[in-house]
Amino acid sequence: GDSVTQMEGPVTLSEEAFLTINCTYTATGYPSLFWYVQYPGEGLQLLLKATKADDKGSNKGFEATYRKETTSFHLEKGSVQVSDSAVYFCALNGAGGSYIPTFGRGTSLIVHP
Amino acid sequence: GAGVSQSPRYKVTKRGQDVALRCDPISGHVSLYWYRQALGQGPEFLTYFNYEAQQDKSGLPNDRFSAERPEGSISTLTIQRTEQRDSAMYRCASSLVPDLGSSYEQYFGPGTRLTVT
Repeated sequence: GDSVTQMEGPVTLSEEAFLTINCTYTATGYPSLFWYVQYPGEGLQLLLKATKADDKGSNKGFEATYRKETTSFHLEKGSVQVSDSAVYFCALNGAGGSYIPTFGRGTSLIVHP
Repeated sequence: GAGVSQSPRYKVTKRGQDVALRCDPISGHVSLYWYRQALGQGPEFLTYFNYEAQQDKSGLPNDRFSAERPEGSISTLTIQRTEQRDSAMYRCASSLVPDLGSSYEQYFGPGTRLTVT
């Protein structure tokens, strides 16, 4: 079946450091790929998405590129802020005609001042 | 505008009792999904609806779990004869249209934290 693998957390960084959270996937066909963010006490919010190979999703300084050859969708940000502290989920949908999303287990990011 | 709401936010129940969890999606959203999320894990699909029709319930763990969306808006997830292993965060999400091409984002509610004692 489909699966999403994320790097284990927590990831702890100082403010203004560079962020990478790795995500790889296994799926049939050509899924759409997503990053969701969950702030404490809130529901998941879509951060960015990419629907086909080589697409780059971007939002709020975060970027991720859909790499079909490496089945990856790594999340990056050049300079993190304390307010970026949250849990980040990589997800896929639409593999093999399915409308059921598959989520990774989440990566906690902690940014210190 | 109003987002997805869920009630109750917290529910503590004794083993063997039935519970009903409610989801109120964003007005006009066609698709509604239910997920279960264990601590430290991502959301795990349970079931989903387009309008009032349940499209897929393959993620429901067993026949104690059921869901309905009778008028194509509010949905209820019911767990009968609860067990301690049912303790988790239950999340609801809605999206504007059926997920054709899967490029449409889902809007999540804050969840209901269920604790079975």
